[in-house]
Amino acid sequence: DTEVTQTPKHLVMGMTNKKSLKCEQHMGHRAMYWYKQKAKKPPELMFVYSYEKLSINESVPSRFSPECPNSSLLNLHLHALQPEDSALYLCASSQVTANYGYTFGSGTRLTVV
Amino acid sequence: GQQLNQSPQSMFIQEGEDVSMNCTSSSIFNTWLWYKQDPGEGPVLLIALYKAGELTSNGRLTAQFGITRKDSFLNISASIPSDVGIYFCAGRNNDYKLSFGAGTTVTVRA
Repeated sequence: DTEVTQTPKHLVMGMTNKKSLKCEQHMGHRAMYWYKQKAKKPPELMFVYSYEKLSINESVPSRFSPECPNSSLLNLHLHALQPEDSALYLCASSQVTANYGYTFGSGTRLTVV
Repeated sequence: GQQLNQSPQSMFIQEGEDVSMNCTSSSIFNTWLWYKQDPGEGPVLLIALYKAGELTSNGRLTAQFGITRKDSFLNISASIPSDVGIYFCAGRNNDYKLSFGAGTTVTVRA
């Protein structure tokens, strides 16, 4: 299995809602990532988990809350988002110890109304 | 991470043409990566380069890791319509952060 699976593919939520994005991989990768991508722009790093522990938070607002329940799963909990948070949210994974490329999921297209 | 200088910003291709794009950086990288992204999808890794001077092919794609470790190019030979999309270069060192270029948008010339 060489895929990163993200659900849901599309999500529309109100500014008072709470929702979660899910990501799963079975490649044995011990580093997992959340990225945010606006249209026609490169992905921007949000969070990095290494061995299920949060190792990088790129000064992301607390309305985004990541969680890594085990080595295969990564969640992003969303609460009280703003319309400007609408974007494509990408999950990725990689090996920890080598300079290999990341494998990205197909993303969740989030619209905040 | 820093943003890499990727050019051109956009290009039009005609079926059968060879096209080229490149990335430069003010600092060195240990790994250069080339991704392609189709609309509504995540980036897909096309080629990974690990050694300065390395030239690697993947089908009609060829990429090189510059000798100075500060640049890379990607060539697409004999373009086909499914080559349209956004191509991103990325550099990585011994940490978790990828530095991306701004992307090259490839469109088919009518």
